Amino acid sequence: AQSVTQLDSHVSVSEGTPVLLRCNYSSSYSPSLFWYVQHPNKGLQLLLKYTSAATLVKGINGFEAEFKKSETSFHLTKPSAHMSDAAEYFCVVGPRDSGAGSYQLTFGKGTKLSVIP
Amino acid sequence: DVKVTQSSRYLVKRTGEKVFLECVQDMDHENMFWYRQDPGLGLRLIYFSYDVKMKEKGDIPEGYSVSREKKERFSLILESASTNQTSMYLCASSPGGSVAKNIQYFGAGTRLSVL
Repeated sequence: AQSVTQLDSHVSVSEGTPVLLRCNYSSSYSPSLFWYVQHPNKGLQLLLKYTSAATLVKGINGFEAEFKKSETSFHLTKPSAHMSDAAEYFCVVGPRDSGAGSYQLTFGKGTKLSVIP
Repeated sequence: DVKVTQSSRYLVKRTGEKVFLECVQDMDHENMFWYRQDPGLGLRLIYFSYDVKMKEKGDIPEGYSVSREKKERFSLILESASTNQTSMYLCASSPGGSVAKNIQYFGAGTRLSVL
């Protein structure tokens, strides 16, 4: 079984300040973890993924996330927010290894990021 | 670039109508998915398909069916649309094989209103 909790439904930051979007997961096996972004009226786009290599994962547009097994967390960060970062972000967990039911990903409920000029 | 195309961006239907949502991908992916997205609920999996003519129920299959006659096309069918099926529907595809490669590529979505 697997689940994911995004701790904030809405985060608001000023342009140029750091971004932190929090995600905790639960999984009975080794997880793959993803962050997706959805801009208004668009589909979801992959930001980054963790699948057992380096625990600090770098993604597109300056985002990165750190896998912390002891804390079961996969928080998304960016040093300096840009207006174009305003979007909804989804943390996603899936099973790392193939097997029965291995196609399913579990999506968090999303965090809406607002960037204030 | 992977392209996942959903045939309609907006659709308005009446209660009881049969509704078809179409999705086409151009990357020869084995896996295709239909999700429903509602505010505050995230994405919920309706059905997925791992091969032509093969399908598996997701978390919320009730009231829906699917069809995959060709590898590139995956259709979602609402047999008798109801108002509680008003939602955003997202199609996705991914390569087969190792789950570590299981990045899903999404279409832009179809916003369905059932009146």
